[in-house]
Amino acid sequence: DAMVIQNPRYQVTQFGKPVTLSCSQTLNHNVMYWYQQKSSQAPKLLFHYYDKDFNNEADTPDNFQSRRPNTSFCFLDIRSPGLGDAAMYLCATSRDPGTDVLTFGAGSRLTVL
Amino acid sequence: AQTVTQSQPEMSVQEAETVTLSCTYDTSESDYYLFWYKQPPSRQMILVIRQEAYKQQNATENRFSVNFQKAAKSFSLKISDSQLGDAAMYFCAYIGDRSGNQFYFGTGTSLTVIP
Repeated sequence: DAMVIQNPRYQVTQFGKPVTLSCSQTLNHNVMYWYQQKSSQAPKLLFHYYDKDFNNEADTPDNFQSRRPNTSFCFLDIRSPGLGDAAMYLCATSRDPGTDVLTFGAGSRLTVL
Repeated sequence: AQTVTQSQPEMSVQEAETVTLSCTYDTSESDYYLFWYKQPPSRQMILVIRQEAYKQQNATENRFSVNFQKAAKSFSLKISDSQLGDAAMYFCAYIGDRSGNQFYFGTGTSLTVIP
């Protein structure tokens, strides 16, 4: 089945130790998104790629970076995780930007010690 | 900026009964889409139902239907014949024709289904 796969599902890191989360998709969608979701809060868009074009949200900290080496893969790099970065990170895709529906991965839960 | 408000952090329903989850939104755009997404515990978020603002007819997907009141900027989700598998967090979401790729989500409603 075509899907969005996130790895790892659970990541534990130490304060300040870099971490990379990955997302892969078999849907051949043009747009890939990274959302941060903290407990009892709405998902917050960090950035997205439309094909190779990177779009960063204005309030996304510099600590968060992303890479999309090809259509199928997208990575979220957290350069120096702080305690406040502990959250669920959701990857989502859409065929086209704008009004198309989102297909989500199962998420990567990050714990920062 | 657009905002989406879900005023019910938690709801519960008896199995086989009907429950309605509320959502209101604020926008100045005329063309937009509204969604309800379901996020079961430890599982991925999935689309429940989608409504185009230009359509007057309320969207329906099996046991799920919406009550879309454009003038009131209200978009509630009705779940009929509730099942145990409906237990999840439900998010209302909005995207407008001038929103770019920005989906706006509400804070969610946690639905418990009581056997």
